[in-house]
Amino acid sequence: QKEVEQDPGPLSVPEGAIVSLNCTYSNSAFQYFMWYRQYSRKGPELLMYTYSSGNKEDGRFTAQVDKSSKYISLFIRDSQPSDSATYLCAMTLIKAAGNKLTFGGGTRVLVKP
Amino acid sequence: DVKVTQSSRYLVKRTGEKVFLECVQDMDHENMFWYRQDPGLGLRLIYFSYDVKMKEKGDIPEGYSVSREKKERFSLILESASTNQTSMYLCASTAGQYSNQPQHFGDGTRLSIL
Repeated sequence: QKEVEQDPGPLSVPEGAIVSLNCTYSNSAFQYFMWYRQYSRKGPELLMYTYSSGNKEDGRFTAQVDKSSKYISLFIRDSQPSDSATYLCAMTLIKAAGNKLTFGGGTRVLVKP
Repeated sequence: DVKVTQSSRYLVKRTGEKVFLECVQDMDHENMFWYRQDPGLGLRLIYFSYDVKMKEKGDIPEGYSVSREKKERFSLILESASTNQTSMYLCASTAGQYSNQPQHFGDGTRLSIL
């Protein structure tokens, strides 16, 4: 079993819909959680970064962490065709040597005009 | 903004060649990483370095080595390239040895071994 599980998709939604993405993990020691967006033929770019449980909002993006359920989510409101990309969750321990990240496999999202 | 630059976007090499992939970051970050990304397998860590001349094996180091002679530059070396090393290679960097800062990625090198 992988340490971090993420549905590969593709997840297809109409423009304007809410996109809901999630990851589950098995290591309760993970404390820092990130979401990256990766466009085709580009490197991942950081979208959201949260510590421990709770919600964080940035424009159209909301990240949620539920440590008791070992479950993290990313919501994209008013989705646009430009949001079509692969979304990767990542997490790390509180004192990871070299700040090593553990990644999910990524979910491909398609927003149709 | 942090900039991580990988020297080649696309590279084609032959089986048995020694291949060098170069990565440079401009933010004086302590930590640098090399990943490969394959469909269905996600990002897998090959090697990382938390200081000049220091290196640690990641999850899949076999067939690879690294070099970090200067803080801003981290090289990945395929000692004798094989077809199963055809992949997208991503370099990343982050500040602080234990700061839990997120990693910043380059745009990747798509390597084909023929």
